[in-house]
Amino acid sequence: QSVLTQPPSASGTPGQRVTISCSGSTSNIGSNTVNWYQQLPGTAPKLLIYLNNQRPSGVPDRFSGSKSGTSASLAISGLQSKDEADYYCAAWDDSLNGPVFGGGTKLTVL
Amino acid sequence: EVKLVESGGGLVKPGGSLRLSCAASGFTFNSNSMNWVRQAPGKGLEWVSCISSSGNIYYADSVKGRFTISRDNAKNSLYLQMNSLRAEDTAVYYCARGTTQTAMVTFDYWGQGTLVTVSS
Repeated sequence: QSVLTQPPSASGTPGQRVTISCSGSTSNIGSNTVNWYQQLPGTAPKLLIYLNNQRPSGVPDRFSGSKSGTSASLAISGLQSKDEADYYCAAWDDSLNGPVFGGGTKLTVL
Repeated sequence: EVKLVESGGGLVKPGGSLRLSCAASGFTFNSNSMNWVRQAPGKGLEWVSCISSSGNIYYADSVKGRFTISRDNAKNSLYLQMNSLRAEDTAVYYCARGTTQTAMVTFDYWGQGTLVTVSS
């Protein structure tokens, strides 16, 4: 059972906008910033969003992040087949005194 | 170009030991924290350990007392000594660079991973 809760799956058609949620508590998302990682099939994770809504260089602006209270969201607009991947949220947890990840969301492009 | 290359994974019996290595290149190695993150087969990501640029060390409770992280800045290398291995330690182990000297949540570069299988 992961500390951060994500839906196990999400889907959308090409061109659509999809959002993936990440629910936590006051000890993690409620008091710390959130990162998102993308893991394409058979590859290592890649930093997608940091500090809630910042994109590293090279990440398309189709990807955006937001945070409100103890929840965060990743939005992908203009969905493409190459976006099919697992997405993980992550945050520091003050109670556990360490970083925690969500269980991951498998995004399928129909 | 930043590159992280893990090695040392393999099959080990429960209670056994293994030492993972991560060779880094393309950046000033002693300027960033370095972390190990693992992923059990078909499962999500789990942070394992961090060593800051100054040598401060942190572990997940699940590995505390069994795993030892270290770094050799002269060799641009990160290590993970894993003792008293259990079946639940079976995973792909990734070496990941922290974005700052102490970062333990934000990892901007990852290696390709090395598989550790603990089984009799």
